[in-house]
Amino acid sequence: AIQLTQSPSSLSASVGDTVTITCRASQGLGNVLAWYQQKPGKAPKLLIYDASRLQSGVPSRFSGSGFGTDFTLTISSLQPEDFASYYCQYSRSFGQGTKLEIK
Amino acid sequence: EVQVVESGGDLVQPGGSLRLSCAASGFTFSNYWMSWVRQAPGKGLEWVANIGEAGNAQNYGDSVKGRFTISRDNAKNFMYLQMDSLRVEDTAVYYCGRVVGGYDVIAYWGQGTLVTVSS
Repeated sequence: AIQLTQSPSSLSASVGDTVTITCRASQGLGNVLAWYQQKPGKAPKLLIYDASRLQSGVPSRFSGSGFGTDFTLTISSLQPEDFASYYCQYSRSFGQGTKLEIK
Repeated sequence: EVQVVESGGDLVQPGGSLRLSCAASGFTFSNYWMSWVRQAPGKGLEWVANIGEAGNAQNYGDSVKGRFTISRDNAKNFMYLQMDSLRVEDTAVYYCGRVVGGYDVIAYWGQGTLVTVSS
């Protein structure tokens, strides 16, 4: 099974900052990678699919990039509602998650 | 509006059984693969199972294979997860979701239903 490793596991940032979360795959995925946001007590929300395509309704400050084994999720100009956990996914594998906290 | 709503979560003893339901609305249910994903308390997301549009293709995660059975009723717009031989480690919030594309990407999630396995 494909392993997805996210880094960092946790991250502190301030409103207005730009942050980047990385997802590394154990083998090449092409551009098949999705990113989700999850807030406490809520279901995950799809942000990005096909590595860089923004899901409808997701603010443009979220962006994704990458191909093969290395992928990134970038959040520009952090807003208070962005502090949450983030997960990458390929098919039946999820990364372990990155918790983004307010500094 | 696309909606999926889970139900059926409960407290059950180890070795017991439980059936979860997922009610779908707002889309042509029979046109989409559907999935179950779970999340143990304080842990990350774990893919559990999926089922094809007609119900004749099912896939399971290694941790539930042979114990859980996924099914669907396209006439009623429902998906199910029959969970047998439950273990303490199956304790989790179980989410159902509508898959988009070909790689289990879930664009629409339910609110989740809590399954607690404990004596």
